[in-house]
Amino acid sequence: DAGVIQSPRHEVTEMGQEVTLRCKPISGHNSLFWYRQTMMRGLELLIYFNNNVPIDDSGMPEDRFSAKMPNASFSTLKIQPSEPRDSAVYFCASSPDAGGYTFGSGTRLTVV
Amino acid sequence: QKEVEQNSGPLSVPEGAIASLNCTYSDRGSQSFFWYRQYSGKSPELIMFIYSNGDKEDGRFTAQLNKASQYVSLLIRDSQPSDSATYLCAVIANAGKSTFGDGTTLTVKP
Repeated sequence: DAGVIQSPRHEVTEMGQEVTLRCKPISGHNSLFWYRQTMMRGLELLIYFNNNVPIDDSGMPEDRFSAKMPNASFSTLKIQPSEPRDSAVYFCASSPDAGGYTFGSGTRLTVV
Repeated sequence: QKEVEQNSGPLSVPEGAIASLNCTYSDRGSQSFFWYRQYSGKSPELIMFIYSNGDKEDGRFTAQLNKASQYVSLLIRDSQPSDSATYLCAVIANAGKSTFGDGTTLTVKP
């Protein structure tokens, strides 16, 4: 398996633009997680899905953030409109039930 | 009180020494415990997991769990400069969702 695949690896965008981050989890893993990591706040859980259903989105900072998982092999995290304070590394991770996570390589987002 | 607490570090040890990383958690119902290693600029990587009280060894790494004290640790024997990284403790209390500590940065000096 190629592991968790995220795209793009880097994204630089202007404030106010829409940003879409993509993730392909490991086949057979039924849980998918979106995290954001910054120096100041560490690793923050944004949302997690189990069997494609959003279970906990309490970490989504505000309505500008949305996430979807239309099938077991694909998820998106969208920010619209983006703001400079959204600049961070965004990780997608997948796991089997109650197991350890496999993280993707992350997307480094810079909003200018 | 944070749900998962780690010594913030940084922790510095000489090459060949034992590095000891500690983690405490607040939820007594926690069932699964994980250690991740994160190199600078990289994503976290799972290196150890433990579910039962006691020790679990994997090569130079030993995870220790004491549920009565709500304490989990990671020992790295014969530390190498390549072990220099941030180590994240994670705990699953509710099925499927891990809570992460803030991490301890380890530096192994040659």
